[in-house]
Amino acid sequence: KQEVTQIPAALSVPEGENLVLNCSFTDSAIYNLQWFRQDPGKGLTSLLLIQSSQREQTSGRLNASLDKSSGRSTLYIAASQPGDSATYLCAVIAADKLIFGTGTRLQVFP
Amino acid sequence: DVKVTQSSRYLVKRTGEKVFLECVQDMDHENMFWYRQDPGLGLRLIYFSYDVKMKEKGDIPEGYSVSREKKERFSLILESASTNQTSMYLCASSYRSGTGISNGGGYTFGSGTRLTVV
Repeated sequence: KQEVTQIPAALSVPEGENLVLNCSFTDSAIYNLQWFRQDPGKGLTSLLLIQSSQREQTSGRLNASLDKSSGRSTLYIAASQPGDSATYLCAVIAADKLIFGTGTRLQVFP
Repeated sequence: DVKVTQSSRYLVKRTGEKVFLECVQDMDHENMFWYRQDPGLGLRLIYFSYDVKMKEKGDIPEGYSVSREKKERFSLILESASTNQTSMYLCASSYRSGTGISNGGGYTFGSGTRLTVV
């Protein structure tokens, strides 16, 4: 059974720091991996989608990498801002399901 | 940009009522999904559909049913609402490619419906 774990569970940093959020999965037979952001009480906003044949994707200050063989993905946030405060979820797309990680709650303070 | 619209942001219903949660997407996605999200339990898949009039049970289908009469609309039905169905409900959609669902594209989520059953 596929299990997706995110480390750390929570992170509090001062503005301007570069951040690394980790996601690990137990079964490397995945199709894609997607990173989402969720603000309190809101839905999920897609940040980056990495196809299984790709190793990374970039959007603005965000960069996500994927290493299927080791079962890991990393979301890198450059020059963090208070507006980045949210919960970040990774999800693997495998077989017929989207399987979510446990999430990382990020707080960036001024 | 593709949009997934959930008809209500907040709903308060009484125990025993029949509740309809509506979801509409505007990007001609084949696949649609219903999740619920609870503190400490994360997102759990209730039902999904990869075609009109098709439905598949997810991980927690008990107490729910779904309807997909048109490609763009996927409805979640609580036949007799109970207090343990108080939750945030999230709808999502995606393209389908190949023989499996969602193996070619990403998911787009709606803004969620916060349902309280009293």
